[in-house]
Amino acid sequence: SAVISQKPSRDICQRGTSLTIQCQVDSQVTMMFWYRQQPGQSLTLIATANQGSEATYESGFVIDKFPISRPNLTFSTLTVSNMSPEDSSIYLCSVLDRGGNTEAFFGQGTRLTVV
Amino acid sequence: GENVEQHPSTLSVQEGDSAVIKCTYSDSASNYFPWYKQELGKRPQLIIDIRSNVGEKKDQRIAVTLNKTAKHFSLHITETQPEDSAVYFCAASQAGTALIFGKGTTLSVSS
Repeated sequence: SAVISQKPSRDICQRGTSLTIQCQVDSQVTMMFWYRQQPGQSLTLIATANQGSEATYESGFVIDKFPISRPNLTFSTLTVSNMSPEDSSIYLCSVLDRGGNTEAFFGQGTRLTVV
Repeated sequence: GENVEQHPSTLSVQEGDSAVIKCTYSDSASNYFPWYKQELGKRPQLIIDIRSNVGEKKDQRIAVTLNKTAKHFSLHITETQPEDSAVYFCAASQAGTALIFGKGTTLSVSS
């Protein structure tokens, strides 16, 4: 299993500002994933963060809006840039089980409110 | 890319009844199909999963079935209890890649 520490757990931000979310894993993992969960909705994949290369973004998500860093195999950040109220969501990081079982583990999430 | 459809969006049952949630997927290359339970304000937690080389898997009151030909899989919960009330998500992926989730089913179990 993997233990993921994500912070901040919640924040209230002014529109036009940026917030950086951090995700720390207790073991080295090849890929980390960032999801968005809008209120009452499912989890939507934003991007896959690979160490040593640029993140791979899903359709509808762009690097300028959601820049991602992956400086090593245990850490990643997601920045939500130039925020608007539509960015109010829960953001979750996720990793796969290194044992090859493919089970995905999630951080506790960051509840972002943009006012 | 993969697309996962999930039905129903809401499900209400009486305690002790069975609940069935169904999902279909589009990418025939997907070979891993987990189910997650998410309680209010908490992160998703894996409850059961199945791989494409297996047709059925059971864990106490929970079972999952997979029909690769039809590209659909289902979650079965028997003898439901109030603590089963939550949102359930199905997902699909190729091993080692990101999960793609269905839209979720809100299960309500009344006593």
